[in-house]
Amino acid sequence: KAGVTQTPRYLIKTRGQQVTLSCSPISGHRSVSWYQQTPGQGLQFLFEYFSETQRNKGNFPGRFSGRQFSNSRSEMNVSTLELGDSALYLCASSQPSATGPDSYEQYFGPGTRLTVT
Amino acid sequence: GEDVEQSLFLSVREGDSSVINCTYTDSSSTYLYWYKQEPGAGLQLLTYIFSNMDMKQDQRLTVLLNKKDKHLSLRIADTQTGDSAIYFCADLFSGGYNKLIFGAGTRLAVHP
Repeated sequence: KAGVTQTPRYLIKTRGQQVTLSCSPISGHRSVSWYQQTPGQGLQFLFEYFSETQRNKGNFPGRFSGRQFSNSRSEMNVSTLELGDSALYLCASSQPSATGPDSYEQYFGPGTRLTVT
Repeated sequence: GEDVEQSLFLSVREGDSSVINCTYTDSSSTYLYWYKQEPGAGLQLLTYIFSNMDMKQDQRLTVLLNKKDKHLSLRIADTQTGDSAIYFCADLFSGGYNKLIFGAGTRLAVHP
């Protein structure tokens, strides 16, 4: 079974631009979460989607948004990029458990390295 | 808010055991995880433990959970150079779906 895939793997953008990152979960997984990893702040939760609905959101400004499609693929968008948005963006997928909507195992993709200049 | 703390660095000799420690504050925590990150890579799920368990063993990995003290540890037996990486402890936040609270990561260096 293929793992979580993220595209692109590397991206260089200029301040003020916007960017869209894509995540394809493991086949059959319906939950996709996004995290930002920086040397200063570590790994921080951005948001989580399940069946095209955002169920949870972290403490990030409104410039960070996301969506999920009917095939469970997810995108996140960052508008008006700032230097501080330079980070590794990771997505994780999980499948529904037998007893509810959430599984306990979350599998991460390789990440998209975003550099803002 | 909820928090997870780890020591930042551990150096061990090849063949020895490594023990990485973690503390968390979420008193309603259900699942706790260990992830491994190698340079330039994403996070690899190593193992996880449910909060009603004290110990879980998986090949060279042993997880110990002291729920009273909110302390989690990961023991790697017979540590190899390929185990050199950053290890993250994470807590499944009890107040929201699939939200993981991560520690800052422990960098494990294995030397001959």
